[in-house]
Amino acid sequence: AQSVTQLGSHVSVSEGALVLLRCNYSSSVPPYLFWYVQYPNQGLQLLLKYTSAATLVKGINGFEAEFKKSETSFHLTKPSAHMSDAAEYFCAVSRGDYGNNRLAFGKGNQVVVIP
Amino acid sequence: GAGVSQTPSNKVTEKGKYVELRCDPISGHTALYWYRQSLGQGPEFLIYFQGTGAADDSGLPNDRFFAVRPEGSVSTLKIQRTERGDSAVYLCASSPRTSGRADTQYFGPGTRLTVL
Repeated sequence: AQSVTQLGSHVSVSEGALVLLRCNYSSSVPPYLFWYVQYPNQGLQLLLKYTSAATLVKGINGFEAEFKKSETSFHLTKPSAHMSDAAEYFCAVSRGDYGNNRLAFGKGNQVVVIP
Repeated sequence: GAGVSQTPSNKVTEKGKYVELRCDPISGHTALYWYRQSLGQGPEFLIYFQGTGAADDSGLPNDRFFAVRPEGSVSTLKIQRTERGDSAVYLCASSPRTSGRADTQYFGPGTRLTVL
């Protein structure tokens, strides 16, 4: 069954520094992969998704992720962290069949931005 | 336009009681999902509706959990004989279902359920 792994529950990054959040997937079929962000007291918001088109995916708020089949990875990056990037980030893989996009999420990364 | 809304935002109940959690999806979205998020964990899939029917309920933990979507829009998640282990944030998401596995899901803010 499809699954994702996110290591390191808490990630601290200095303002202006690179943000790197790691996600590795396991899938018996070509995966569809997603990154979501959750701000306090808000619903999950899609940052970006990989659906077998371009391997480098650009999302909102300056984030991007690269799909690497050889490494079974879909790491999320942002060149320069802003204070507003403090949130929880989840990687997810679609586990469903056609028409059913049930998602399997990782445990998430809580990002803290240090001024 | 309006996003996914969930009511109540918080629910505190006593062990053994019955609760209902409501989800209003984005208008016109045919697919609706329920997830449960426990503290320190990512969301876990519970059930998927396509229109009025539950197309996949494989994530429901046991028969105390049930969900309906009688008119293909609003959905209600029902939990009988609540247990302390049911305490979590219950998330609802909807999507337009244009391509299935690639569809973006739009999440509501969740209902935080606390069972005392």
